[in-house]
Amino acid sequence: ETGVTQTPRHLVMGMTNKKSLKCEQHLGHNAMYWYKQSAKKPLELMFVYNFKEQTENNSVPSRFSPECPNSSHLFLHLHTLQPEDSALYLCASSQGSSGRNYNEQFFGPGTRLTVL
Amino acid sequence: LAKTTQPISMDSYEGQEVNITCSHNNIATNDYITWYQQFPSQGPRFIIQGYKTKVTNEVASLFIPADRKSSTLSLPRVSLSDTAVYYCLVVRNEKLTFGTGTRLTIIP
Repeated sequence: ETGVTQTPRHLVMGMTNKKSLKCEQHLGHNAMYWYKQSAKKPLELMFVYNFKEQTENNSVPSRFSPECPNSSHLFLHLHTLQPEDSALYLCASSQGSSGRNYNEQFFGPGTRLTVL
Repeated sequence: LAKTTQPISMDSYEGQEVNITCSHNNIATNDYITWYQQFPSQGPRFIIQGYKTKVTNEVASLFIPADRKSSTLSLPRVSLSDTAVYYCLVVRNEKLTFGTGTRLTIIP
């Protein structure tokens, strides 16, 4: 247990569906992140939130829409996805998004997403 | 961003010390060297971080030479549960960039 939980753990959706991934951290951290890990590819940072404000968007397609209502919760809303979006989506949190604290991120177990 | 190069895979027997070396030739003055471990179908887990010389914690040691162009993660007396992918990251401007990592397999 890392103190970061993600639901659901597995999700299968069609290209026309709308679904949401949820992440919750119980560590009192200020920063939260979404990553994508595709098969045989390195982890890709998607979004960064610091004190509920989005501070980074790494050219992620608009079919992925993040939401951070407070420092403990992070959502990733999905709509009209493509089969190539199938991947493991990981949420992480850290004490801050600057300095040495940024380097130690706590990851959740991920959501395995399959787009049909 | 500083590019890191590490072996794609390594095998080791249980009980041995394992050293994984990472090269980062264009590391900058303010960059930190950080290592993560990832088991299948799980998120990465922070192992250790250093800036120079040697850092040790309850899990591993990190050796960084004076020129900081490489670093070595040392895992003492590995067990089967240490089978995982190990990532070396050089953090610049507060940005974590994961490479493909080293897949370490521990053999009984």
